[in-house]
Amino acid sequence: DTEVTQTPKHLVMGMTNKKSLKCEQHMGHRAMYWYKQKAKKPPELMFVYSYEKLSINESVPSRFSPECPNSSLLNLHLHALQPEDSALYLCASSAWVDREDGELFFGEGSRLTVL
Amino acid sequence: KNQVEQSPQSLIILEGKNCTLQCNYTVSPFSNLRWYKQDTGRGPVSLTIMTFSENTKSNGRYTATLDADTKQSSLHITASQLSDSASYICVVTRRTGTASKLTFGTGTRLQVTL
Repeated sequence: DTEVTQTPKHLVMGMTNKKSLKCEQHMGHRAMYWYKQKAKKPPELMFVYSYEKLSINESVPSRFSPECPNSSLLNLHLHALQPEDSALYLCASSAWVDREDGELFFGEGSRLTVL
Repeated sequence: KNQVEQSPQSLIILEGKNCTLQCNYTVSPFSNLRWYKQDTGRGPVSLTIMTFSENTKSNGRYTATLDADTKQSSLHITASQLSDSASYICVVTRRTGTASKLTFGTGTRLQVTL
C-alpha cells in the first residue's frame, strides 16, 4: 500500500468556522508534511513532523494548527481562516526526514475554500 | 539563492509527438532532483528521482536527464498521450543533513491535443 489518504477532498468554510483536514498513511513512514498550493503555483511547505514531533514550522500563521496523534495520522486544524487561505492543501510522507534521498509520497489534496 | 526554473511555462503538442521539458537550478549543496506529474487539482506523483551520479533515468515513456555540472535537467516524453496533459514539476533537494529541504519549480503545463 503506497497511498497517502486525505479527507475531505473538498471543504467550504466560513471565516468563523473551525474545521480539520486529515491525512493518513500506512507505509510506516516516520515523516509527514503539510503543503499549501495556490493555483498555478508550486507547493509551499508549511509543517514537517518527524517521529510524531513537529520539526519544521515555516512561519505559518497560528490559525493553522497541526497535530500528529500517531505515526500514521496527521491533522491540520483550521480556525478563523481568511479567504486568501483558500488553496489545495497537500499532505505528504516519507520514510525519514533526515535522508534527502527518501521518496516523497503526496496525497490527492484537500481543496479548501474560505468564504 | 536556491532556485529552480522551468521552461517552457506551458506547452501544447499533438498526441503521439515527443516533447522535452527543461529545468535549471541553483540549489546548493545538491542532493537529488525529482520530476513530478501533477494533474489539475490532484496531488503530485513521482516520475523519477536522480542523484548526483546519475545522468539518465527512465520510467516508461518518461526519460529524465541530469547534468550536475551545468545544473540542468530535462524530462523527455515520448509518444505523448492525452493522459500526459498535466503540470510537470521539477524539485531539487538541498543536502542539509537534518531535514530534506525541497525547492520546487513553478512547473510546465503540458496539454496534449488530438
